[in-house]
Amino acid sequence: RKEVEQDPGPFNVPEGATVAFNCTYSNSASQSFFWYRQDCRKEPKLLMSVYSSGNEDGRFTAQLNRASQYISLLIRDSKLSDSATYLCVVKTRNNFNKFYFGSGTKLNVKP
Amino acid sequence: AAGVIQSPRHLIKEKRETATLKCYPIPRHDTVYWYQQGPGQDPQFLISFYEKMQSDKGSIPDRFSAQQFSDYHSELNMSSLELGDSALYFCASSLGKENTDTQYFGPGTRLTVL
Repeated sequence: RKEVEQDPGPFNVPEGATVAFNCTYSNSASQSFFWYRQDCRKEPKLLMSVYSSGNEDGRFTAQLNRASQYISLLIRDSKLSDSATYLCVVKTRNNFNKFYFGSGTKLNVKP
Repeated sequence: AAGVIQSPRHLIKEKRETATLKCYPIPRHDTVYWYQQGPGQDPQFLISFYEKMQSDKGSIPDRFSAQQFSDYHSELNMSSLELGDSALYFCASSLGKENTDTQYFGPGTRLTVL
């Protein structure tokens, strides 16, 4: 079983829609959580870190549920430019410098 | 702001040749990670260095080696290249402290083995 699991999608949504992705992690000692965005053939770019209290950045909201070991990303008012693969990344406390990546969820926003 | 620099951006090699990929982390970052991403795959962690010492090892083949130098740049050396080594190789850097350990990725080196 992978350390981090994501629904690969694709999620095909119209412009303006609200879409949510979930990601589950298996190691309860995980400490830091991130959402990255990756465009085709480009490097992953940090979208946002995920904090226990949840955090929001414009149209993007991230939530962390430690009890259930999942992280979510909500995108409101989807734009065509949001089309990308969204990677869930988890860092464990036990392993100082290891980050675990999910396989990514592909989002296609259509006009 | 300065980002992670990788060179070369593209590299074409033949089977059994060697290749060296370079990574220059963001200034003041002391931790470097190497990832391999095949077509349609998620990034696979290869190896990482913190303060010039190997800090963790992932799925790096024995044919590959890496090191981090005194100026914190890192090199990934790949020998006896195989067709399956064709991939995008990302380097990421972070400031290796607990609260500021976000990784920032370089643009990648696309390696093609013919």
